[in-house]
Amino acid sequence: DVQLVESGGGLVQPGGSLRLSCEASGFTFDSFLMTWVRQAPGKGLEWVASIKHDGTGKFYVDSVKGRFTISRDDAKNSLYLQMNSLRVEDTAVYFCRVVTFTGDFWGRGTLVTVSS
Amino acid sequence: SHDLTQPSSVSVSPGQTARITCSGDVLTKKFVRWFQQKPGQAPVLVIFKDSERPSGIPERFSGSSSGTTVTLTISGAQVDDEGDYYCYSAADNNRGVFGRGTKLTVL
Repeated sequence: DVQLVESGGGLVQPGGSLRLSCEASGFTFDSFLMTWVRQAPGKGLEWVASIKHDGTGKFYVDSVKGRFTISRDDAKNSLYLQMNSLRVEDTAVYFCRVVTFTGDFWGRGTLVTVSS
Repeated sequence: SHDLTQPSSVSVSPGQTARITCSGDVLTKKFVRWFQQKPGQAPVLVIFKDSERPSGIPERFSGSSSGTTVTLTISGAQVDDEGDYYCYSAADNNRGVFGRGTKLTVL
């Protein structure tokens, strides 16, 4: 079964940094584009960033460009999101997502709270 | 523009048909996915490629497309179908966008 497990969330002050991780299993990790999606408290879903299967292409929503970096380590079946210069409006649950030949899979998410 | 517009809420009685629309210029060129999300849970895919239903999703869920509007239809809605529904589309530049979501109430 496909599993995606996010970690690394927590409380951080504005201007601070966090690194989120997503550990994947149950599929051939290096064959698929991986994506981060976030959801602010009581709000809708927002696509944040995606990375191609081979890491050659990285794509970001305008509001995080220059602050967030998506990366992957295929040897560890892991996806990452380095978040710098965090803002209060980055507060959200961050989900890891993958679309494979068998489905559209999401992790349970990890909560990032940016507050002083 | 890559914005996707959904109604903020839809309400039906049990057994009635619920219809949730998603509109956007990009939808003449791109397929839509529909996700159901219940409180505290990750989204679940209920429709892909505008009208395809993943395995395990009840037949009462269906999708259709016409021009710049796609529609999720739940025929014979059940109380368990309550939740937030989001449409999603990918852009040409490998970016994605979600609609703002529709809260479905069945009571």
